[in-house]
Amino acid sequence: RKEVEQDPGPFNVPEGATVAFNCTYSNSASQSFFWYRQDCRKEPKLLMSVYSSGNEDGRFTAQLNRASQYISLLIRDSKLSDSATYLCVVNMGTGRRALTFGSGTRLQVQP
Amino acid sequence: GAVVSQHPSWVICKSGTSVKIECRSLDFQATTMFWYRQFPKQSLMLMATSNEGSKATYEQGVEKDKFLINHASLTLSTLTVTSAHPEDSSFYICSARDTGTNQPQHFGDGTRLSIL
Repeated sequence: RKEVEQDPGPFNVPEGATVAFNCTYSNSASQSFFWYRQDCRKEPKLLMSVYSSGNEDGRFTAQLNRASQYISLLIRDSKLSDSATYLCVVNMGTGRRALTFGSGTRLQVQP
Repeated sequence: GAVVSQHPSWVICKSGTSVKIECRSLDFQATTMFWYRQFPKQSLMLMATSNEGSKATYEQGVEKDKFLINHASLTLSTLTVTSAHPEDSSFYICSARDTGTNQPQHFGDGTRLSIL
């Protein structure tokens, strides 16, 4: 089983749609969680951290369910510029300082 | 603005050449930096953890003699791909994280390495 698992997609949605991505992680001791965005042939950029109580940043809402070891990202009112790969990222703890990346979910927003 | 700077952004060279990539933290001191590699349509794979003033920690399957890492200061880590071959062609990305357990990692712009 992968340490961080995501549906690779692609998700093809029309502009204005709401889309949700899910992610599961294997280590129950994981300490912190993030969503990163990666555009084609570019480095990943931090989209938002994920907090236990859930958090929102504009059109983006992140949720964490520690009991189910599950993280989600909701994007409302999709824009063309949201087209990218969204990476679920986890700090597994266990002494590793590096983050563990999911393979990413590709989103294509269409006009 | 950028907090991690990586250089060069693109390298094309002949097989057998050694290539050095630099990674600098700009706004903070990083005792630890990370080197990743990403092949097309695949996820980032951690290659090694670079520790200031000591030896790097390599992930399983990564040859330490092939990928030399030097972390001589709190703001600079270098990765040297020695005697590069076409199969080493990839996107190499460094990252660093400020102190504190729950801090995210910030990435350099990445280096696209093409070996002919």
